[in-house]
Amino acid sequence: TQLLEQSPQFLSIQEGENLTVYCNSSSVFSSLQWYRQEPGEGPVLLVTVVTGGEVKKLKRLTFQFGDARKDSSLHITAAQPGDTGLYLCAGVRTGGYQKVTFGTGTKLQVIP
Amino acid sequence: DAGITQSPRHKVTETGTPVTLRCHQTENHRYMYWYRQDPGHGLRLIHYSYGVKDTDKGEVSDGYSVSRSKTEDFLLTLESATSSQTSVYFCAISGRGGEGTGELFFGEGSRLTVL
Repeated sequence: TQLLEQSPQFLSIQEGENLTVYCNSSSVFSSLQWYRQEPGEGPVLLVTVVTGGEVKKLKRLTFQFGDARKDSSLHITAAQPGDTGLYLCAGVRTGGYQKVTFGTGTKLQVIP
Repeated sequence: DAGITQSPRHKVTETGTPVTLRCHQTENHRYMYWYRQDPGHGLRLIHYSYGVKDTDKGEVSDGYSVSRSKTEDFLLTLESATSSQTSVYFCAISGRGGEGTGELFFGEGSRLTVL
């Protein structure tokens, strides 16, 4: 059972375009993370959002946590070829240990 | 750099043979995890550890066992490898010094092919 659904699964856009990736769940999480993974490497944490409604910005990337802490979005402004990669959201539940559940991933290709 | 290494990075084996993957960390993180990554499934948790000799199952634990005899090392064993276990395996760590927010640091992955 996949608790976190990401959309779209694949995205190919031209350099300079904007895009949004969505991460949805029916479950409530104590926090939500976004990772980026490049081919042949492990995922690397980009950001953690903790509070419902929270918005965090990382240069051209804007992350938002839904008010009910069940969903999140990642918006990239003026995409660059260096943004190419697999984007993964991950929901965290606490209690005993920090259980981290990953979404299905969004593969982004930015064409120069 | 969270000081996490996996070995071997690549392995090809035959069905029915045992395989052990090793994860080594140098950062004193309390929690260690083994995930597998397959197209269309994202990252799925196999087993995790919350301390020395303390381990538990994840969502896809069948056919896998783990051991953690010291803080630094977390071993994943496939007792009798099957073709369905062909995958890329990632080790992750969190909770430096016993604390943590669930933020994971990943190794570079071990690509396993079972023929």
